[in-house]
Amino acid sequence: AQSVTQLDSHVSVSEGTPVLLRCNYSSSYSPSLFWYVQHPNKGLQLLLKYTSAATLVKGINGFEAEFKKSETSFHLTKPSAHMSDAAEYFCVVETGRRALTFGSGTRLQVQP
Amino acid sequence: EAQVTQNPRYLITVTGKKLTVTCSQNMNHEYMSWYRQDPGLGLRQIYYSMNVEVTDKGDVPEGYKVSRKEKRNFPLILESPSPNQTSLYFCASSPGWSQGGLEQYFGPGTRLTVT
Repeated sequence: AQSVTQLDSHVSVSEGTPVLLRCNYSSSYSPSLFWYVQHPNKGLQLLLKYTSAATLVKGINGFEAEFKKSETSFHLTKPSAHMSDAAEYFCVVETGRRALTFGSGTRLQVQP
Repeated sequence: EAQVTQNPRYLITVTGKKLTVTCSQNMNHEYMSWYRQDPGLGLRQIYYSMNVEVTDKGDVPEGYKVSRKEKRNFPLILESPSPNQTSLYFCASSPGWSQGGLEQYFGPGTRLTVT
C-alpha cells in the first residue's frame, strides 16, 4: 500500500530565507507524487507534480521538489520565502487505483 | 472558467436529517472524488468515481453515499448524519489516465456541522 509521511507538522521561517518541507513516501512501485497548497479558508491548489519524468520538478510560485528514489523522499523547497507563502502544504501520493493519499500536512509560517 | 463548484458552502444540521452536498465540474473530467478534511489528519477520501455509473469506496466511506448519473455531477449524500461527520468536505475532479492526467482540481469546500 502507498502512504506518505510529512515529517514536520509546523515549519517557521523568516521572510527571504529558504523553505524546506519534508516528505517521505512508501510505495511498492514508482508512484506519482504531488504537492498541494491550501491557504486559509481556501481550497487546495496544485503546486507541482512528479510523474516519472525529470526527478527535479519545478512548480508555481518558485517552488520545486526533487524525487529521490533511494531515499523515498519528495521534499519541497523554495530559495526565498515570501509572506504570501504562509499556508498549509500537503504531500500526496497516487495510490495505484487512480486515487490520492494525502499526508497530514505541514503548516508553514513566514515571519517578517 | 474551468472550475469545480460545491453547494452549499456552509451547512448546519441536526442528527438524522438527510442532506445532499452537490458537486459539479465543467471540465469534462472522467474522475471525481470526495474528501473530508479534519485537523491533523489531512484529507481522507470518502468515495470516488472513474466515470459515469462507476463509483467505489475510498478510505472512509461509512455513513456516506454517492451517485454518478452524469459526467459533470457527483453529489454526496448523508442519509442519517451524525456529529462525527462534522468536517470540511472537498469535491475534486481529474482528467484521469485516459485523458492524460491525474492531478486533481478541488472545489472551494463545504463546512458541515452536525449537532
